Amino acid sequence: GDSVTQMEGPVTLSEEAFLTINCTYTATGYPSLFWYVQYPGEGLQLLLKATKADDKGSNKGFEATYRKETTSFHLEKGSVQVSDSAVYFCALSDLRDRDDKIIFGKGTRLHILP
Amino acid sequence: DTGVSQDPRHKITKRGQNVTFRCDPISEHNRLYWYRQTLGQGPEFLTYFQNEAQLEKSRLLSDRFSAERPKGSFSTLEIQRTEQGDSAMYLCASRETDGVTEAFFGQGTRLTVV
Repeated sequence: GDSVTQMEGPVTLSEEAFLTINCTYTATGYPSLFWYVQYPGEGLQLLLKATKADDKGSNKGFEATYRKETTSFHLEKGSVQVSDSAVYFCALSDLRDRDDKIIFGKGTRLHILP
Repeated sequence: DTGVSQDPRHKITKRGQNVTFRCDPISEHNRLYWYRQTLGQGPEFLTYFQNEAQLEKSRLLSDRFSAERPKGSFSTLEIQRTEQGDSAMYLCASRETDGVTEAFFGQGTRLTVV
């Protein structure tokens, strides 16, 4: 079945450092890809998404490009802030398969040091 | 619309008791999902609905778990004869039925079985 694999954390960076969180997926159809973020004490919220190959999702300085050839959707940010400390989840949903439930990775905890 | 709401936010119960959680989705969303999240893990799919029809139930969901969505509006998740292993955060999400829009999550219900 469909699955998502993302790099294990925790990831600890200094403020203004460059961030990459790797995510790869396995899907039988043509999934939409998502990054969700969970800030401490809060619920899951969408960070960005991409719905077809070569699309780039972006929000709050974060970016991710849907790479079908490498089945990847890596999250990047050029200069992280302390407020970016959170858990990040990569996810997919494949509507072309009738079974369009959303599959999540295990999450990557990010710590940004001032 | 205030988003997806879940009730209660926290529940402590004794082993063997039954518990019921409620989820009110965003009103125009046809799809409603239930997930379970344990510490350090990503959300695990439990079940989902298209309007009032339950489309799939995960193998994670034993016979002690049941979910309903009468009239295609709010949903309930019931756990009978709770066990300590049921302790987790139970998340509800809703989305439109187009496969590309994101799911919107509630704040979750944290269940502790003592």
